[in-house]
Amino acid sequence: EDQVTQSPEALRLQEGESSSLNCSYTVSGLRGLFWYRQDPGKGPEFLFTLYSAGEEKEKERLKATLTKKESFLHITAPKPEDSATYLCAVQAYSGGYNKLIFGAGTRLAVHP
Amino acid sequence: DAGVIQSPRHEVTEMGQEVTLRCKPISGHDYLFWYRQTMMRGLELLIYFNNNVPIDDSGMPEDRFSAKMPNASFSTLKIQPSEPRDSAVYFCASSLRGGAYGYTFGSGTRLTVV
Repeated sequence: EDQVTQSPEALRLQEGESSSLNCSYTVSGLRGLFWYRQDPGKGPEFLFTLYSAGEEKEKERLKATLTKKESFLHITAPKPEDSATYLCAVQAYSGGYNKLIFGAGTRLAVHP
Repeated sequence: DAGVIQSPRHEVTEMGQEVTLRCKPISGHDYLFWYRQTMMRGLELLIYFNNNVPIDDSGMPEDRFSAKMPNASFSTLKIQPSEPRDSAVYFCASSLRGGAYGYTFGSGTRLTVV
């Protein structure tokens, strides 16, 4: 069964304190791994897509990496505005079509 | 582009009533997805369409749920009759070519069934 597990469930950081979020997955026919940011009361906002092991993507203070079994979202010198829930999703190929399966998310709180 | 548009933003209804949620995808996107989000279960895929055709509805929890996409610019998710356990935030998302460039989500409809 296709599965996505994120850890930790919640993370509290001080402003400037770098850390990493983990996303491990088991899926047959992986077509891509996605990272999303979700703010309270809003829909998930697309951040990155990773397709192959060794690939890295960066956006401002965020950097996503991918191995064959997991992905990391590294947050460097975070600011309070980085506080949000970060969702990982894998795109699995099944029955001739792709579908996106989400993890439960990591709630990040960055305090000044 | 205005993005994916969902309506209503909030819906409060009594148990047993019919509820219809609406979605307008991004113009030109050929995939449309309906997700449900709860604290307990996170984001769950309910159903998705490709070129207006339902592809996989295995996530639809019960026969009380139905979804349609009569044309490329409109989709509905209907719950009849509604139950308190249906209370959740329902998201619609659309994508181009199966999501190679990411899915774009709407702002969601928060449904409360009392």
